[in-house]
Amino acid sequence: SQQGEEDPQALSIQEGENATMNCSYKTSINNLQWYRQNSGRGLVHLILIRSNEREKHSGRLRVTLDTSKKSSSLLITASRAADTASYFCATDGNYGGSQGNLIFGKGTKLSVKP
Amino acid sequence: DTGVSQDPRHKITKRGQNVTFRCDPISEHNRLYWYRQTLGQGPEFLTYFQNEAQLEKSRLLSDRFSAERPKGSFSTLEIQRTEQGDSAMYLCASSLVSLLAGGPGYHNEQFFGPGTRLTVL
Repeated sequence: SQQGEEDPQALSIQEGENATMNCSYKTSINNLQWYRQNSGRGLVHLILIRSNEREKHSGRLRVTLDTSKKSSSLLITASRAADTASYFCATDGNYGGSQGNLIFGKGTKLSVKP
Repeated sequence: DTGVSQDPRHKITKRGQNVTFRCDPISEHNRLYWYRQTLGQGPEFLTYFQNEAQLEKSRLLSDRFSAERPKGSFSTLEIQRTEQGDSAMYLCASSLVSLLAGGPGYHNEQFFGPGTRLTVL
């Protein structure tokens, strides 16, 4: 079953604008990861934020995590047409035990128009 | 290329046939995962291995599905007596799980292959 939900389900913006996607989850987590998937392709890992972190940056990406609200956001600044893809959040709820599968949301489909 | 590779990339089969997919993980990674993704959905976990041991199987993995990682390197996923509902993208991922000193548990950054798209007619 899906762990959480991304919001919005679809987002269309102009090149140069910022894109914000949100993710909510249900259980306590060890870390939260964001992935990008171009149409019909595999997933590309973007960024991982641990449960004791509140914000993390990587290039044009900014991720926040609010464990009290069980939510995360992904901000892509100065978007480009090449950012067009589906974006998924995934949670890893295990604390050092034998499990390790990621639980994905349904994704946000981002379209950046040139 | 040192990423995760999968073979074949596409497979079309008739209902009732058996199919086998292969995944080659990143060489130093100790964990290997299989996920299934249907259109418009996120990937759903099927099973994972730590080295050659299969440690967890999802209830999505019916008895028609079997996965192996015999030498702790590449893995195969076999589907017997395929059904139309098996049509999906099958994704493989690998990771190097390690405990971080002072961290809240372990990192589990997973690297995905390009996937095998299965179509069952």
